[in-house]
Amino acid sequence: AQSVAQPEDQVNVAEGNPLTVKCTYSVSGNPYLFWYVQYPNRGLQFLLKYITGDNLVKGSYGFEAEFNKSQTSFHLKKPSALVSDSALYFCAVRHPGRRDDKIIFGKGTRLHILP
Amino acid sequence: NAGVTQTPKFRVLKTGQSMTLLCAQDMNHEYMYWYRQDPGMGLRLIHYSVGEGTTAKGEVPDGYNVSRLKKQNFLLGLESAAPSQTSVYFCASDPGRGGGYTFGSGTRLTVV
Repeated sequence: AQSVAQPEDQVNVAEGNPLTVKCTYSVSGNPYLFWYVQYPNRGLQFLLKYITGDNLVKGSYGFEAEFNKSQTSFHLKKPSALVSDSALYFCAVRHPGRRDDKIIFGKGTRLHILP
Repeated sequence: NAGVTQTPKFRVLKTGQSMTLLCAQDMNHEYMYWYRQDPGMGLRLIHYSVGEGTTAKGEVPDGYNVSRLKKQNFLLGLESAAPSQTSVYFCASDPGRGGGYTFGSGTRLTVV
């Protein structure tokens, strides 16, 4: 069965430091991978996605994610964190072509950027 | 271009009351979804639709019904609300073909 794991419920990072939010997946074949962000009292917003090609994907707000097929990981990164990056982050996976093609979401990681 | 619009944004119900949550999208997307979000539980899929006139059960469908009479609208109904249905409800639409979802801003429902 397809699954997505976000091993950290919460990540704390000092402002200006690099940040990483971890994600691993369990999907056969070549899945599509996504990161979404949710700010307080808002819906989820698309950050970036990986379909194929370059393993480093750049997205909105200076975020990027690194796809590692051998480790089945898709970690979200940013070189220098801002206080405004504090939010809930969801990793997600999709397997187009499957009969039951829906996005599977992780449980989310809350990112706190400390001033 | 409004994207996905959910109404109402907030609602308080008494146990046993009924209500309908409306989701409207203006992107001509085929697929639409209803999720609930609870602390520590992530997003859980309630029902979804793969096109006008179709609906299917998701992970937690009990106590909810849905209808997709028009392509742009996806309605979520609670026939007899229970306190366990206190949650934040999100609608999403999806163009298919491996794209990402577009989410509404949510409906915060409290059942007392």
